[in-house]
Amino acid sequence: GDSVTQTEGQVTVSESKSLIINCTYSATSIAYPNLFWYVRYPGEGLQLLLKVITAGQKGSSRGFEATYNKETTSFHLQKASVQESDSAVYYCALSDVGYKLTFGTGTSLLVDP
Amino acid sequence: DMKVTQMPRYLIKRMGENVLLECGQDMSHETMYWYRQDPGLGLQLIYISYDVDSNSEGDIPKGYRVSRKKREHFSLILDSAKTNQTSVYFCASSLSRYEQYFGPGTRLTVL
Repeated sequence: GDSVTQTEGQVTVSESKSLIINCTYSATSIAYPNLFWYVRYPGEGLQLLLKVITAGQKGSSRGFEATYNKETTSFHLQKASVQESDSAVYYCALSDVGYKLTFGTGTSLLVDP
Repeated sequence: DMKVTQMPRYLIKRMGENVLLECGQDMSHETMYWYRQDPGLGLQLIYISYDVDSNSEGDIPKGYRVSRKKREHFSLILDSAKTNQTSVYFCASSLSRYEQYFGPGTRLTVL
């Protein structure tokens, strides 16, 4: 079946420093799945941060960006300068031809002020 | 205001008791979902509902059933809860397959 791997369970970054959260995927039912980053702030539900549905394209939102790399099957999340308000849990996910999302295990980001 | 609500937010039950988790959305979305999340795992799909009385099993449906009698409400039922159903449950809704809207979650503890 489909799978999404996030290798870092927790990341701590100092405010104004750069961030990268790794995500790799494997999709068995479709060659080029849709890729997503969701974010969950404390006490809230997950919300869509950005999505890319075309291989090779880049998505961006709120200063975050991620590039759909079909060669390395990766979709890493990056930000040039993090803020304390970015502290949250970030989930990489994919969908194939249907409505089902397959999630990674999540990466908890703590930004030190 | 686009919103998915879940009730209750916290629940403690004893093994063997019945559990009802409620989810509502105000966006008239046709598709709704129930997920659970356990430590160290991603969200796992329990059931998906494509509209009223049109429900399909997800990846881990065993021990759960759902009910959708109105488009805006989707219930998750645990008949005779088990300790391994202790988890955080998330409801979501969507208009398309490109974005799901999530509720804040229900933390269920089964003793």
